[in-house]
Amino acid sequence: NAGVTQTPKFQVLKTGQSMTLQCAQDMNHEYMSWYRQDPGMGLRLIHYSVGAGITDQGEVPNGYNVSRSTTEDFPLRLLSAAPSQTSVYFCASSYGRADTQYFGPGTRLTVL
Amino acid sequence: AQKVTQAQTEISVVEKEDVTLDCVYETRDTTYYLFWYKQPPSGELVFLIRRNSFDEQNEISGRYSWNFQKSTSSFNFTITASQVVDSAVYFCALSEAPNRDDKIIFGKGTRLHILP
Repeated sequence: NAGVTQTPKFQVLKTGQSMTLQCAQDMNHEYMSWYRQDPGMGLRLIHYSVGAGITDQGEVPNGYNVSRSTTEDFPLRLLSAAPSQTSVYFCASSYGRADTQYFGPGTRLTVL
Repeated sequence: AQKVTQAQTEISVVEKEDVTLDCVYETRDTTYYLFWYKQPPSGELVFLIRRNSFDEQNEISGRYSWNFQKSTSSFNFTITASQVVDSAVYFCALSEAPNRDDKIIFGKGTRLHILP
């Protein structure tokens, strides 16, 4: 099992550019989520999904879109990047919301 | 609404000292789950423990122990005889009952420095 994989590991964008952060898991987990980590702010939930075709907003969803067409993949889209979106992004998955989450290695994003 | 508070932003102790990291939570539910994760300097997030609200027994795993007290809504984490390798950011997290809210909420973390 590869676990939870994220690509890319590092990315630099210019303000206004769009991009997609990829997340995939091979553990057949239903629950997947995206977090951003900023200094002093901990892990803040952006979006989550309880299964294929179902997504919902977390604490800080503005500026981000998600979709869940398959159980394995949960991409995060930045439609028009802003410097405030400079952060480290973590994807996580678990069998259910009450179960242990497995985290990907993270993507460090810088928006200039 | 659910909330997790880790009041200690940063702690420094000398190696071999014991240290306790505090976690206080808020929830409307009687059924919920609490977690601790570790983030070492390398950046990955590592699961440490999961506890459901009906199990108030304290847990010990080697030098790590957890004290769950529903009366004070706390789930504190103690490292005994700390080591330099324990230096990391530690996060506490809360997940509420099914059909209430599917979010998992993390605290802001406590950065622990173990000084040699």
